[in-house]
Amino acid sequence: AQSVTQPDIHITVSEGASLELRCNYSYGATPYLFWYVQSPGQGLQLLLKYFSGDTLVQGIKGFEAEFKRSQSSFNLRKPSVHWSDAAEYFCAVLGSGGGADGLTFGKGTHLIIQP
Amino acid sequence: GAGVSQSPSNKVTEKGKDVELRCDPISGHTALYWYRQSLGQGLEFLIYFQGNSAPDKSGLPSDRFSAERTGGSVSTLTIQRTQQEDSAVYLCASSSGQDSGEQYFGPGTRLTVT
Repeated sequence: AQSVTQPDIHITVSEGASLELRCNYSYGATPYLFWYVQSPGQGLQLLLKYFSGDTLVQGIKGFEAEFKRSQSSFNLRKPSVHWSDAAEYFCAVLGSGGGADGLTFGKGTHLIIQP
Repeated sequence: GAGVSQSPSNKVTEKGKDVELRCDPISGHTALYWYRQSLGQGLEFLIYFQGNSAPDKSGLPSDRFSAERTGGSVSTLTIQRTQQEDSAVYLCASSSGQDSGEQYFGPGTRLTVT
């Protein structure tokens, strides 16, 4: 079965600094990978996705992620964070059964922005 | 256009009561998903509907949980004889079906069992 690990439970970054959130996955075939963001009291919003092709994918709000098969990683990056980026970030992989297996999520990384 | 809507947004119920949670997917989306988000378990996939096909119920936590989807659109998640461990946020998502991974989530229903 697939799994997703987000090693960092909390990350604190100063406003304007760069950000990298780590995600490692376990999956037998080429994975479909996603990053979602959840603001307090809100549902999940899709930031970006990787299905195939270019391993560097661009998303909304200035985020990007790089798929590295050799490292089983799909880290999320942003060159300069804004206070509004404070939220919970989830990495996810789609199961081998496609939609029937749903998304498998990591435990999330709580991003704190320092002024 | 309108996103995924869920009702109620909050539900407080007594242990042992039944509850019904509703999800209205994005118009035209054929796939619908239910997830549960709790502090201890994180985000768990519960069940998936594709159109009018019968769902695979193996992801539901217990036989007290059931879900149905009427007319390939609105879905209800029913929890019978609620227990305190059922307290969580229940999230619904939908997708166009052709690209099952790009799921659009509703705001969730926060269920508290007292």
